[in-house]
Amino acid sequence: QSVLTQPPSASGTPGQRVTISCSGSSSNIGSNTVNWYQQFPGTAPKLLIYINNQRPSGVPDRFSGSKSGTSASLAISGLQSEDEADYYCAAWDDSLNGPVFGGGTKLTVL
Amino acid sequence: EVQLVESGGGLVQPGGSLRLSCAASGFTFGTYAMSWVRQTPGEGLEWVSAISASGFSTYYSDSVKGRFTISRDNSKNTLYLQMNSLRAEDTAVYYCAKVAGGTYSRLDYWGQGTLVTVSS
Repeated sequence: QSVLTQPPSASGTPGQRVTISCSGSSSNIGSNTVNWYQQFPGTAPKLLIYINNQRPSGVPDRFSGSKSGTSASLAISGLQSEDEADYYCAAWDDSLNGPVFGGGTKLTVL
Repeated sequence: EVQLVESGGGLVQPGGSLRLSCAASGFTFGTYAMSWVRQTPGEGLEWVSAISASGFSTYYSDSVKGRFTISRDNSKNTLYLQMNSLRAEDTAVYYCAKVAGGTYSRLDYWGQGTLVTVSS
């Protein structure tokens, strides 16, 4: 049972906009920044979004993040087949004194 | 180019020990905190442990506290994870990751991972 809650799956067709939610509490998302990771099968995770809505160099602007209260969202616009991957949210948890991850969302491009 | 290369994984019996290493290059290792994150095959990510840039401060998840010890040798640009009293539920791919700064949940570079299997 992950501390941060994500839907296990999401899907969309090429060109569509999809969003992935991440729900937490006052001790994590509510008081700390959120980061998102993208992971392809058999590879290490890659930082996709940091500090709620910032993109590292090289990440397309089709990817965006937002945060409100104790929830955060990752949006992918202009969905492409190569976006098919697992996506994880993460945040520091003040109560647990460590980072916590969401359970991950498997994105399928139909 | 930042590179993180883990080693030391393998098959170990329950109750046994293993030490993982992570060789870092391409950045000033001694100025960044580092972290270990694990992933059970087919499952999600779980943070395991973190260490400050100096090595003075260490952090552990409740699931490994008292059994695992994180350390670093800044002269060798190497991060370690000593794992004792291993259990079947510790079976996972273990990744070392560089903390980008600001928060230990922001990991900007990851190694390729090393598989630890705890089984008799």
